[in-house]
Amino acid sequence: DGGITQSPKYLFRKEGQNVTLSCEQNLNHDAMYWYRQDPGQGLRLIYYSQIVNDFQKGDIAEGYSVSREKKESFPLTVTSAQKNPTAFYLCASSVNRGRGRDYGYTFGSGTRLTVV
Amino acid sequence: AQRVTQPEKLLSVFKGAPVELKCNYSYSGSPELFWYVQYSRQRLQLLLRHISRESIKGFTADLNKGETSFHLKKPFAQEEDSAMYYCALRGPMEYGNKLVFGAGTILRVKS
Repeated sequence: DGGITQSPKYLFRKEGQNVTLSCEQNLNHDAMYWYRQDPGQGLRLIYYSQIVNDFQKGDIAEGYSVSREKKESFPLTVTSAQKNPTAFYLCASSVNRGRGRDYGYTFGSGTRLTVV
Repeated sequence: AQRVTQPEKLLSVFKGAPVELKCNYSYSGSPELFWYVQYSRQRLQLLLRHISRESIKGFTADLNKGETSFHLKKPFAQEEDSAMYYCALRGPMEYGNKLVFGAGTILRVKS
């Protein structure tokens, strides 16, 4: 059953702590993305990766870090430098354009992070 | 800069009424436009894309380059259309696959 899995579903963090959100896909997609979803602001791009061992900053990368050591995995770390981390985080994957049938993004079910 | 504007946070219509969800974009080149939908308790998913010129679940959207718009339309709304709708833009291939999303519009179809 192919898809994209985010874990955990809910995460609570104390101020000053780093936390890592997991994103795994078995769709053989080259590209993966992290978005932050806030009410009234839509989805804002944090980081994206089009190939293993390479990634680029999105529009709101400050306070976040990522790695892409395997094609299937794109974990996101929310560091203590992120000023307002409480949000809903969505991971997505896609084929790279020109590399096969483009069905758009496949999204995970999201992780809700709350700072306590 | 790429920007997508969805001016309505909430659109409420009666069942059977026509629906138009507005989307305007700001981009100097030739973008690709998409509509994504999120039903209650479901994942965000692709509804349609302008290059396919298709109708999905009765919805259509036409890219108007002169007005820089990509409005989503349906002639007769159904209750199961109630969801959050996002318009999204993608630049040329050399800029990769990343999508820029609008703020989203909640569509509520009343019986």
